[in-house]
Amino acid sequence: AQKVTQAQTEISVVEKEDVTLDCVYETRDTTYYLFWYKQPPSGELVFLIRRNSFDEQNEISGRYSWNFQKSTSSFNFTITASQVVDSAVYFCALRVNRDDKIIFGKGTRLHILP
Amino acid sequence: DTEVTQTPKHLVMGMTNKKSLKCEQHMGHRAMYWYKQKAKKPPELMFVYSYEKLSINESVPSRFSPECPNSSLLNLHLHALQPEDSALYLCASSQDTGLSYEQYFGPGTRLTVT
Repeated sequence: AQKVTQAQTEISVVEKEDVTLDCVYETRDTTYYLFWYKQPPSGELVFLIRRNSFDEQNEISGRYSWNFQKSTSSFNFTITASQVVDSAVYFCALRVNRDDKIIFGKGTRLHILP
Repeated sequence: DTEVTQTPKHLVMGMTNKKSLKCEQHMGHRAMYWYKQKAKKPPELMFVYSYEKLSINESVPSRFSPECPNSSLLNLHLHALQPEDSALYLCASSQDTGLSYEQYFGPGTRLTVT
């Protein structure tokens, strides 16, 4: 069975601090994709990144970076120099080859305090 | 343009009403999705349309009736809903239903059933 665990339910940090959101996944499939989505208070889910199971290269996009480690089944997300606009719920998600469903984690609610 | 639009933004309806939610995308995507999201929970898949045909129905009650009139448009017809159906209804689209395609979400319709 497939599963995504985001153990941090809620995190609060002061603006300009760095923050890492954890994501651990479970699957027996060898081919899969991992995703991160951001959901601000407005409600829309915003796609942030996609990573396939054969590409363990870490990625950086501006203040955002992602660390994919197959050995620990983790796909963690770091925001550097956080800003108030980063306040949102962040979902990690998994998609496997035989399924059309995205399996979402329960989400981490991030509060960036001014 | 990675925009998925949804109307209305908010909807309040009684249990005997019939209403429809509308979703539109002009990205040429061939897969469209309906999700239901309760407060503080991740989105749950309801329906998947692929090339205008219903490909997945996640055992959704018949009081929810999806329709895909063309490749750009997706409707969700609502009839005889229950108060527990109150939720954020998200539409999404992707280039295709394949594993690697990220889904782009609309802003959602916040539905309240009284």
